[in-house]
Amino acid sequence: AQRVTQPEKLLSVFKGAPVELKCNYSYSGSPELFWYVQYSRQRLQLLLRHISRESIKGFTADLNKGETSFHLKKPFAQEEDSAMYYCALSGGGYQKVTFGTGTKLQVIP
Amino acid sequence: SAVISQKPSRDICQRGTSLTIQCQVDSQVTMMFWYRQQPGQSLTLIATANQGSEATYESGFVIDKFPISRPNLTFSTLTVSNMSPEDSSIYLCSVRQGSTEAFFGQGTRLTVV
Repeated sequence: AQRVTQPEKLLSVFKGAPVELKCNYSYSGSPELFWYVQYSRQRLQLLLRHISRESIKGFTADLNKGETSFHLKKPFAQEEDSAMYYCALSGGGYQKVTFGTGTKLQVIP
Repeated sequence: SAVISQKPSRDICQRGTSLTIQCQVDSQVTMMFWYRQQPGQSLTLIATANQGSEATYESGFVIDKFPISRPNLTFSTLTVSNMSPEDSSIYLCSVRQGSTEAFFGQGTRLTVV
């Protein structure tokens, strides 16, 4: 079974402070890991995926297979980063995507 | 990328009735998924719908309650049958083409009274 765990329901940080949203997964194989973001009144959209190794809007995430983690990080939070963030996992192409419970990031001005 | 349109965007329904949600994609896609997002909860997969075959339902979801159609590679419907207040939720259509990201519709907000 595939499972994604996001331990924090809410994370509040001050503007300019570093951000780390935690994600741990369980999967017997080589998973694809994603971070999705949902801004207020907008649809769910991809933020980044582990295979692309990109930095999007200043966010990065590194897949740690030993710790089965895929934490999302940003060195300096911005107010516009306030949103709901979902970590997600897939078993590969043409496979379903399983979502974690989500973390609401609140950036305090 | 894929652009997904869902109809209706929201509805208020009487208990015991049924609602059919439509999902239209601007390109042909192999896999379509239907999720439910209950208030304050994460996305829960209801079923996977592939064209030309029966939908595959996740544990806890059955075809009699959530019948799905997938007549072609750009369209699918999800029906929520014999609704109760517990079915009040946001229902989301999603598509994926191979190892791409999953794209989502804007959701259908259903309230059952």
